[in-house]
Amino acid sequence: KAGVTQTPRYLIKTRGQQVTLSCSPISGHRSVSWYQQTPGQGLQFLFEYFSETQRNKGNFPGRFSGRQFSNSRSEMNVSTLELGDSALYLCASSFRRAGYDEQFFGPGTRLTVL
Amino acid sequence: AQKVTQAQTEISVVEKEDVTLDCVYETRDTTYYLFWYKQPPSGELVFLIRRNSFDEQNEISGRYSWNFQKSTSSFNFTITASQVVDSAVYFCALSEAGNAGNMLTFGGGTRLMVKP
Repeated sequence: KAGVTQTPRYLIKTRGQQVTLSCSPISGHRSVSWYQQTPGQGLQFLFEYFSETQRNKGNFPGRFSGRQFSNSRSEMNVSTLELGDSALYLCASSFRRAGYDEQFFGPGTRLTVL
Repeated sequence: AQKVTQAQTEISVVEKEDVTLDCVYETRDTTYYLFWYKQPPSGELVFLIRRNSFDEQNEISGRYSWNFQKSTSSFNFTITASQVVDSAVYFCALSEAGNAGNMLTFGGGTRLMVKP
């Protein structure tokens, strides 16, 4: 079974631009969550999608948004990029929408904002 | 609000030593789940173990063992006879049943370096 895939793996943008990251979950998984990892703030939850609906949202500004498609693939978008948005963005999928489900993580997209 | 603390930011050991990674959590939920993940240099988080709040049995899997104590809100992870391949960042995480979904709160991570 293929794992979680994320594209692109690396991205360089400049301040003020916007960016879209993509995540394809494991086949059959319907829950997709996004996390931001930075040296200063560590791993922080961004949002979770299940059946195309956002179910949980972390404490991030409205510049961070996402969506999920009918095939469970998900995208996250960051508008008006700031230097502090430089981070590793990790996507995770799980079969159910339950807190006890282990989440399977993708390799991440490393975003650098110049 | 939930919180996970990993007080050890970095640990260095020599191969074959035993090492324990500490994890302390805070939550108001009575039902919650604790996880450990490993992050090798490649960046991908690898699931190691899940434990629910009603199961305080310790668990052993090969060289890995976990000690869950609700009385001290701790979920510690021990690697016996460490190997160089164990070098990674290890994260402890908490998920509350009240969130009705998949939202992990992570600790700050412990970087383990195993030297040959």
